[in-house]
Amino acid sequence: EAQVTQNPRYLITVTGKKLTVTCSQNMNHEYMSWYRQDPGLGLRQIYYSMNVEVTDKGDVPEGYKVSRKEKRNFPLILESPSPNQTSLYFCASSLWFSGRMGEQYFGPGTRLTVT
Amino acid sequence: EDKVVQSPLSLVVHEGDTVTLNCSYEVTNFRSLLWYKQEKKAPTFLFMLTSSGIEKKSGRLSSILDKKELFSILNITATQTGDSAVYLCATMNRDDKIIFGKGTRLHILP
Repeated sequence: EAQVTQNPRYLITVTGKKLTVTCSQNMNHEYMSWYRQDPGLGLRQIYYSMNVEVTDKGDVPEGYKVSRKEKRNFPLILESPSPNQTSLYFCASSLWFSGRMGEQYFGPGTRLTVT
Repeated sequence: EDKVVQSPLSLVVHEGDTVTLNCSYEVTNFRSLLWYKQEKKAPTFLFMLTSSGIEKKSGRLSSILDKKELFSILNITATQTGDSAVYLCATMNRDDKIIFGKGTRLHILP
């Protein structure tokens, strides 16, 4: 089944404790992206990647890191989480062909709470 | 600063009504506009629009883009309770960056 998986789905952690949220897709998609969703602010792009070893900042990259060492994986790293990073996080992927993005598939979401 | 503005923020209609959701944008180096539906979980893709004036249709849903006036509309005809959701509009620029609007929350009364 074609899908985007994220782990963990729920995480409660403490300020300053490094964490990684994994994202993996099995559709051989070039484009992958991380978003956070907050009430009243909507979905905001954190980082995106056009292909292996190519990453770019979205609207809200501060406090986050990403890497794209393999085409299927795009982990989100919080080196020193803070309470303002409490949010619902989505990973998404899509094909990229002829200079255009295809349908974007979203993972199920990771609800992160930083205390 | 690039922005995407959706209106109305929320809408309540009766089953069978037709609704029009609006999305306006100010985006440097615009490439495409996307519509998503979000129920209780992850957004699901509805449409991608890149050319002005060409309507895209999927069942009771349709959408069109006006690149001169910088807006798009999403129409839903003969609404059903299953159409209740948050509808998200997003733009992609030529650097492949995506910006979402805050969404329109649509509630369909039976």
